[in-house]
Amino acid sequence: RKEVEQDPGPFNVPEGATVAFNCTYSNSASQSFFWYRQDCRKEPKLLMSVYSSGNEDGRFTAQLNRASQYISLLIRDSKLSDSATYLCVVGGFSGGYNKLIFGAGTRLAVHP
Amino acid sequence: DGGITQSPKYLFRKEGQNVTLSCEQNLNHDAMYWYRQDPGQGLRLIYYSQIVNDFQKGDIAEGYSVSREKKESFPLTVTSAQKNPTAFYLCASRGQGDQPQHFGDGTRLSIL
Repeated sequence: RKEVEQDPGPFNVPEGATVAFNCTYSNSASQSFFWYRQDCRKEPKLLMSVYSSGNEDGRFTAQLNRASQYISLLIRDSKLSDSATYLCVVGGFSGGYNKLIFGAGTRLAVHP
Repeated sequence: DGGITQSPKYLFRKEGQNVTLSCEQNLNHDAMYWYRQDPGQGLRLIYYSQIVNDFQKGDIAEGYSVSREKKESFPLTVTSAQKNPTAFYLCASRGQGDQPQHFGDGTRLSIL
């Protein structure tokens, strides 16, 4: 089982739609959680951190369920510019080192 | 501006040749990382360093080498032993605790 699993997609949605991505992780001792965005042929960029109480940044809402080891990202009112790959990232200690584990990503395509 | 600088942006390697990718950061981060990304795939960890003069193998270290003589610098050498080096190489750094990683804008390596 992969340490961080995501549905690869692609998710094809019209502008204005609401779309949700899910992510599961295997290490119950994980301590930090993030969503990154990666555009085609570019580096990943931090979209938002994920906090235990859930957090929102404009049209983006992230949720964490530690009991189920599950993270989600909700995008409301999708824009064409939201088209990208969204990476779920989980951090914690492994082998004595504090490491981040990246999911393989979920592709989103927003169409007119 | 604070950030991570990778160079060159594009690099071509001849057979049997070693090439070195540069990564410099002025964020005063202790931890630095090298990833490889193949088309349509997720990030794979090559090497990481938590502190100066210390580094650890990641998941795909064979055919690569690194050094960490200075806090700001973490160069990656792709040796002739790496038979399939064509990929997008990303360097990242991370502050202390549960901070996210920040990425450079990558180096694309191809074989001549």
